Amino acid sequence: GAGVSQTPSNKVTEKGKYVELRCDPISGHTALYWYRQSLGQGPEFLIYFQGTGAADDSGLPNDRFFAVRPEGSVSTLKIQRTERGDSAVYLCASSLTLGETTEAFFGQGTRLTVV
Amino acid sequence: TQLLEQSPQFLSIQEGENLTVYCNSSSVFSSLQWYRQEPGEGPVLLVTVVTGGEVKKLKRLTFQFGDARKDSSLHITAAQTGDTGLYLCAGTNNAGNNRKLIWGLGTSLAVNP
Repeated sequence: GAGVSQTPSNKVTEKGKYVELRCDPISGHTALYWYRQSLGQGPEFLIYFQGTGAADDSGLPNDRFFAVRPEGSVSTLKIQRTERGDSAVYLCASSLTLGETTEAFFGQGTRLTVV
Repeated sequence: TQLLEQSPQFLSIQEGENLTVYCNSSSVFSSLQWYRQEPGEGPVLLVTVVTGGEVKKLKRLTFQFGDARKDSSLHITAAQTGDTGLYLCAGTNNAGNNRKLIWGLGTSLAVNP
């Protein structure tokens, strides 16, 4: 597709359940980012992939959060034993890492609600 | 830890007014971007500034990068209701080849008819 695609667009889950959020980046973009955004706030960095490897996972809040990008394209963010505080919009972005600028293109996000 | 502080956090103005949004940090950034986000959508890039002192114009929007590359401003002339949205600044420090964006918390702008 032409843009970053995230699925599902909305996810409602019960506390304690496991969820997976998927991101299809723009074709050819080597960098992929996951962010979490609460209402009216800026994005909170979670993890950044360069190719298949996680270049920086310092934003993952705890070990319940994990992300993979096995073939350097699609990425999945996995959350175990979900808690109500995990409710947020999870944004994915991709970019080309060339030169001195990093212009990120965002998907529409997955709105996760833990009840 | 690098931080970007945006001000004001909220702004409500009448159509036709001018406004300026600020993005400040104590750290130096290699580049800085401004994004606009509408409800239910991801942020959309407006501009990237790279050189200290750089000024870029996008129609009624004027972006400036501070000489020391620690701060930036966004000025909107004659605001329109379509300018309503969340304005976010984000910076990159490419030291160590880390391309992670550092984000401000955003300025929520409401332009009233």
